[in-house]
Amino acid sequence: AQKITQTQPGMFVQEKEAVTLDCTYDTSDQSYGLFWYKQPSSGEMIFLIYQGSYDEQNATEGRYSLNFQKARKSANLVISASQLGDSAMYFCAMKESGATNKLIFGTGTLLAVQP
Amino acid sequence: ETGVTQTPRHLVMGMTNKKSLKCEQHLGHNAMYWYKQSAKKPLELMFVYNFKEQTENNSVPSRFSPECPNSSHLFLHLHTLQPEDSALYLCASSQAYGQGGGETQYFGPGTRLLVL
Repeated sequence: AQKITQTQPGMFVQEKEAVTLDCTYDTSDQSYGLFWYKQPSSGEMIFLIYQGSYDEQNATEGRYSLNFQKARKSANLVISASQLGDSAMYFCAMKESGATNKLIFGTGTLLAVQP
Repeated sequence: ETGVTQTPRHLVMGMTNKKSLKCEQHLGHNAMYWYKQSAKKPLELMFVYNFKEQTENNSVPSRFSPECPNSSHLFLHLHTLQPEDSALYLCASSQAYGQGGGETQYFGPGTRLLVL
């Protein structure tokens, strides 16, 4: 069965430092998609970045990059130059296999950026 | 309005009340979703609609009744809820599967529901 694992319940990072949030996944599919979302205390889930399994290059979006290691089945999110506004819950998700657009979410990592 | 909007943002209701949550998307998508997020639990998918047709009901109790009158609007009708139904209810939209343009789901701000 497909599964997303986020092993870090919480993390601290100093402002302006880089931080890596871990995500591992389990799937037997050859074609799949991986997503990262940010959820501030206000509740909204904000889409950050997407990586397709066949994409040869790691996805990047501004200060966000996805360290995709297919053989290790990991899709870690790297946030460079952390800002106070980056403090939030971060969720890794994977699209379910088959003819569906359903997502499987991990349990999330709470990131606290310290001044 | 842009993106995905949800109203109300906060709702307090008694167990005998009937209320409705509303979601509207302005992204030209044709798939919409309801999720429930309880404290210390992973996000739970409740319902999926593709082209106004319900394609997924994730064993949700009948006290939750979804309605999708068109591809831009999604409702969640609530009646005789229980205190354990208190949660953040999130709506999302995306392109339907296989429609191209990506299938990334975009979420609304959510409705925080408290059932007394």
